[in-house]
Amino acid sequence: DSGVTQTPKHLITATGQRVTLRCSPRSGDLSVYWYQQSLDQGLQFLIQYYNGEERAKGNILERFSAQQFPDLHSELNLSSLELGDSALYFCASSARGGYTFGSGTRLTVV
Amino acid sequence: GENVEQHPSTLSVQEGDSAVIKCTYSDSASNYFPWYKQELGKRPQLIIDIRSNVGEKKDQRIAVTLNKTAKHFSLHITETQPEDSAVYFCAASKGGADGLTFGKGTHLIIQP
Repeated sequence: DSGVTQTPKHLITATGQRVTLRCSPRSGDLSVYWYQQSLDQGLQFLIQYYNGEERAKGNILERFSAQQFPDLHSELNLSSLELGDSALYFCASSARGGYTFGSGTRLTVV
Repeated sequence: GENVEQHPSTLSVQEGDSAVIKCTYSDSASNYFPWYKQELGKRPQLIIDIRSNVGEKKDQRIAVTLNKTAKHFSLHITETQPEDSAVYFCAASKGGADGLTFGKGTHLIIQP
């Protein structure tokens, strides 16, 4: 157990739908990062939150949004889903530079 | 922003041989360089890291070297074993609340 908790582990949904992925960082970590990993692809950075505020944005689509709550857990909202959004979504938290990744949410859009 | 290039994209070595994966970075302010190992369908896991105030770090069969002048760093795995087969990612960061910039990954295949 890495200390970073992601739920759900698996999600199957239809095109056009909306889903929410949840991440709880390690105790004491203020930063949360979201990454998308498609089949045979690297880690595509989506967005970072630091202590409740958006810190950096990567290749995040307008259909996607995220937030970090006062208790530091974060949610990634994916809407108007397309087949190409099928991927593993990881969140990571960090303290002094190094990331600890959660186990990921495998999203399948059918 | 930071850009990290990683080579090769695929590396096949005989069991027992050594493997070397190389990365270059663009931002001279980067000072933290971790390496992650990711097995199929699993989360990336930190295997070793190095900060810019040292040139080399070793942990059993794994070592990382850093050349700040040339802005490149490398992962060395000696006496490779079948369980070393995985995708390896290098990354760079300026530290603090700044995030990591990852390379595109190297698929390491250990041939029996």
